[in-house]
Amino acid sequence: DADVTQTPRNRITKTGKRIMLECSQTKGHDRMYWYRQDPGLGLRLIYYSFDVKDINKGEISDGYSVSRQAQAKFSLSLESAIPNQTALYFCATSAPSGSTGANVLTFGAGSRLTVL
Amino acid sequence: AQTVTQSQPEMSVQEAETVTLSCTYDTSESDYYLFWYKQPPSRQMILVIRQEAYKQQNATENRFSVNFQKAAKSFSLKISDSQLGDAAMYFCAYRRAIYNQGGKLIFGQGTELSVKP
Repeated sequence: DADVTQTPRNRITKTGKRIMLECSQTKGHDRMYWYRQDPGLGLRLIYYSFDVKDINKGEISDGYSVSRQAQAKFSLSLESAIPNQTALYFCATSAPSGSTGANVLTFGAGSRLTVL
Repeated sequence: AQTVTQSQPEMSVQEAETVTLSCTYDTSESDYYLFWYKQPPSRQMILVIRQEAYKQQNATENRFSVNFQKAAKSFSLKISDSQLGDAAMYFCAYRRAIYNQGGKLIFGQGTELSVKP
């Protein structure tokens, strides 16, 4: 099984629909992230979480919300999807600062979302 | 704010040849980390190589090496003996080496590398 699992892998939806992208990890990491990838723009940070009680906005959080249900689970929601939210979404994890692997992100396989 | 720039949207290399991908970044920090990630058509993000800014020695991982020029804020990736499997999108990324940044990476726009047989 993958260390970081994202569901769904692909999703097509319509404008105005609520969408949830889910992420779970078996790395035991406390830090989790949601990134969005668009052609020509690279990956941009949407939200990140240091632990279950800590949620922080990234550079492009408008139109998105997140929930950290447990240390291993971090969900991204689009309350009312719009076409310019069509993108590839990545979940990632990292170990706490000072620990082995703290500087390296482990990514999920990505969730491709299309909003019509 | 820190920024990362990859000025080559596309690059091409002949199999077995060497290619260099460019990356520049802007920061006022003195301690940070730099990374190159590879994204093949499977879209999985794979760490290729990383460099700690406090280390003067350039990082090397098999056929992959970097040319880290701290004063110039340049971090290029050299791929030697290119293979067909090297064809992918490559992203340069930056991370501040400060505890409360939580490991956030700032990415460049990406360079699409094609390998010709």
